[in-house]
Amino acid sequence: KAGVTQTPRYLIKTRGQQVTLSCSPISGHRSVSWYQQTPGQGLQFLFEYFSETQRNKGNFPGRFSGRQFSNSRSEMNVSTLELGDSALYLCASSEQGMGVTDTQYFGPGTRLTVL
Amino acid sequence: AQSVAQPEDQVNVAEGNPLTVKCTYSVSGNPYLFWYVQYPNRGLQFLLKYITGDNLVKGSYGFEAEFNKSQTSFHLKKPSALVSDSALYFCAVRDSRTGGFKTIFGAGTRLFVKA
Repeated sequence: KAGVTQTPRYLIKTRGQQVTLSCSPISGHRSVSWYQQTPGQGLQFLFEYFSETQRNKGNFPGRFSGRQFSNSRSEMNVSTLELGDSALYLCASSEQGMGVTDTQYFGPGTRLTVL
Repeated sequence: AQSVAQPEDQVNVAEGNPLTVKCTYSVSGNPYLFWYVQYPNRGLQFLLKYITGDNLVKGSYGFEAEFNKSQTSFHLKKPSALVSDSALYFCAVRDSRTGGFKTIFGAGTRLFVKA
């Protein structure tokens, strides 16, 4: 099976703009989670979607939003970009999404740079 | 609230020697523990997880981890290190009481294996 794919891999934006990142989970996986990785804060949980519904949310401002489509593909959107949003954004998928014990498989990430 | 600590920012070991990367956790319910590895400009790769049962968990690439409930630890080990093991290692925990995929990651430990 193909792994988790994320597009684009690299993105450069300026402050105030908005951005949309895309994630395609492993075929058959229904849960998609998003994480932000920065050198200062490490890996931080953004949100998790299962069957097009957001089930968990981390402590990020409302500028960060996401959605999941019926084919399990997910997008996250960041509006009014700030310099501090520069990070590697990672998407992870898991098969069933109903068990806290399920393994998450990560994509390669999207490197967002805000100038 | 759940938390995980990786007390060492960096671990240095000579090739062929055993390695240990430390992790301690705090949860209110039962812990579900994971180890991931990240190579430069890549996403996280799953190594192993502890859910229940045998305290010694074997994973990918010859890695293993020992769950110690009394010490709330889940240290990653490998009997003989390879130069190719040099990477960033993350310990992660989920709490049986919170459910879903609100995974908390440690800050990461950078492993350097010298030839």
